[in-house]
Amino acid sequence: AQSVAQPEDQVKVAEGNPLTVKCTYSVSGNPYLFWYVQYPNRGLQFLLKYITGDNLVKGSYGFEAEFNKSQTSFHLKKPSALVSDSALYFCAVWDTDKLIFGTGTRLQVFP
Amino acid sequence: DAGVIQSPRHEVTEMGQEVTLRCKPISGHNSLFWYRQTMMRGLELLIYFNNNVPIDDSGMPEDRFSAKMPNASFSTLKIQPSEPRDSAVYFCASSYRFYEQYFGPGTRLTVT
Repeated sequence: AQSVAQPEDQVKVAEGNPLTVKCTYSVSGNPYLFWYVQYPNRGLQFLLKYITGDNLVKGSYGFEAEFNKSQTSFHLKKPSALVSDSALYFCAVWDTDKLIFGTGTRLQVFP
Repeated sequence: DAGVIQSPRHEVTEMGQEVTLRCKPISGHNSLFWYRQTMMRGLELLIYFNNNVPIDDSGMPEDRFSAKMPNASFSTLKIQPSEPRDSAVYFCASSYRFYEQYFGPGTRLTVT
């Protein structure tokens, strides 16, 4: 079965510094990978996806993710964090006809 | 497009009462998903539909939970009877074919 793991429950970073939220995957075949963000009291919002092609995927709000097949990782990155990026981030993998979500990583960006 | 619409946004009810949550997916989307989110259990997929047909309801916790999708623009999730442990935020999401799912704002259910 397809699965993703988010090894960090929480990530703290100073505003202006680069941020990384980690995700590793376990799949049979080619992975279809996604990142979603959830702001307080809101539903999940799609950020970006990797289906095929360039290993560096660019998404909304200046986020990008790097697909690394050898390390089975799909880490979310941003060069310069904003306080407004503080939210819950979910990695997900496509499995037949549904998404399998990770447990989420809470990102806190402090001024 | 208005996005996925859920109602009510908040629901407070007493144990034993019936609760009905409603969802209107994005027009043209053919898949609909119901999720539950709690601090303890995180995000759980309860059931999903493809072209109005239930595909997998293995995530429905008990027989007290049921879901229907009578047409392409409407779905309900019903809990009867409700219990305090059902308190959670319930999300509906829709997608076209595969991949990106678009989530509604959620219904915060409190059962006292």
